Amino acid sequence: ETGVTQTPRHLVMGMTNKKSLKCEQHLGHNAMYWYKQSAKKPLELMFVYSLEERVENNSVPSRFSPECPNSSHLFLHLHTLQPEDSALYLCASSLSGTRNQETQYFGPGTRLLVL
Amino acid sequence: QKEVEQNSGPLSVPEGAIASLNCTYSDRGSQSFFWYRQYSGKSPELIMFIYSNGDKEDGRFTAQLNKASQYVSLLIRDSQPSDSATYLCAVKRPGGYNKLIFGAGTRLAVHP
Repeated sequence: ETGVTQTPRHLVMGMTNKKSLKCEQHLGHNAMYWYKQSAKKPLELMFVYSLEERVENNSVPSRFSPECPNSSHLFLHLHTLQPEDSALYLCASSLSGTRNQETQYFGPGTRLLVL
Repeated sequence: QKEVEQNSGPLSVPEGAIASLNCTYSDRGSQSFFWYRQYSGKSPELIMFIYSNGDKEDGRFTAQLNKASQYVSLLIRDSQPSDSATYLCAVKRPGGYNKLIFGAGTRLAVHP
């Protein structure tokens, strides 16, 4: 499998559930990102991991908890979400440190609906 | 003022015409600029990037950068109905790690 993959592709959860989103990149990159995309709004950066170290936590509520066990895998743990958290969650990866290779490549996203 | 601004559209062009998509940014120190295409219900895919002032061409696509005016554009020649999508402009903040700031996107509709 190539590129950036995400599972699950669709997720429906209640406000009291706990679930996790998974992202895996097969590009040899060393930086990974979580974005949230809500209807009619720009992509919002949530978290950034560079060389497995979190370098950005963009004022995201604590009900979202990221985990990056290695440079190829990224998780987003979800608990006690709110209906307004319903959105498309996108994972991306890039190769940091080299200008011509800093392009971010996106996974297909997880469409999340919180009831 | 938004960091990255795009006209939301829709921009409607006839098939075969040139579509011109525009983007302005506020941080004068920005160095890297990206155009992504996003089809409805799909994730963004990179079209091209540009770092230097001037034009950069790739097939039917041309990116234009004017750092003095803080303006970057994307031209699509010979537009096809399959080009109908939302086009996202992204700007890399100067310094530090690779943080992109995205515009809200311009929706392009190419009609036969």
